[in-house]
Amino acid sequence: AQKITQTQPGMFVQEKEAVTLDCTYDTSDPSYGLFWYKQPSSGEMIFLIYQGSYDQQNATEGRYSLNFQKARKSANLVISASQLGDSAMYFCAMREGRSGEKLTFGTGTRLTIIP
Amino acid sequence: EADIYQTPRYLVIGTGKKITLECSQTMGHDKMYWYQQDPGMELHLIHYSYGVNSTEKGDLSSESTVSRIRTEHFPLTLESARPSHTSQYLCASSEYGVNSPLHFGNGTRLTVT
Repeated sequence: AQKITQTQPGMFVQEKEAVTLDCTYDTSDPSYGLFWYKQPSSGEMIFLIYQGSYDQQNATEGRYSLNFQKARKSANLVISASQLGDSAMYFCAMREGRSGEKLTFGTGTRLTIIP
Repeated sequence: EADIYQTPRYLVIGTGKKITLECSQTMGHDKMYWYQQDPGMELHLIHYSYGVNSTEKGDLSSESTVSRIRTEHFPLTLESARPSHTSQYLCASSEYGVNSPLHFGNGTRLTVT
């Protein structure tokens, strides 16, 4: 079974609008971390934001916020006021304590910002 | 800021050649990883290490091998490259704990002709 599911292969968003990228996860481990990475066309992986399974508050980092709904096992990334430089692949990932803390990735969402 | 370096950035090589992809980090992290990624696709873990002299195979079967003789160095070797090995290889390191992000190098784009 897929541990991380990203159901949006591609999204097109007008510049300056907010965008939500969906991510659901599957785990029975009570201790886990959820991460979002950005991958521009140049190929490097850029860490954006982290949410811990025991965190009560949703994580925020500048224009990025994570909408964490633990009961629904979802961890959606919200980008406010999108910019042209936000065009990239976005990957949701999970790290579980029981699996030796390996990072498992979803299939990604390709986000394109339209001027 | 993360300091993890991969060389070469791009490599085009003929079938049957032996290659080594280099990965070094200056953060003193015990945990290091190699991921394989085809263009526009998800990342698959092929090798990982918890420290010196520790290496494990990842979730995706790979003909490559790794070694960890020094904390900062985690090279990946292909004894005989084939066109099916054409892909991007990403190295990463992290601290212990599920709350620690992986820090990635810039990757090596390998093309086997």
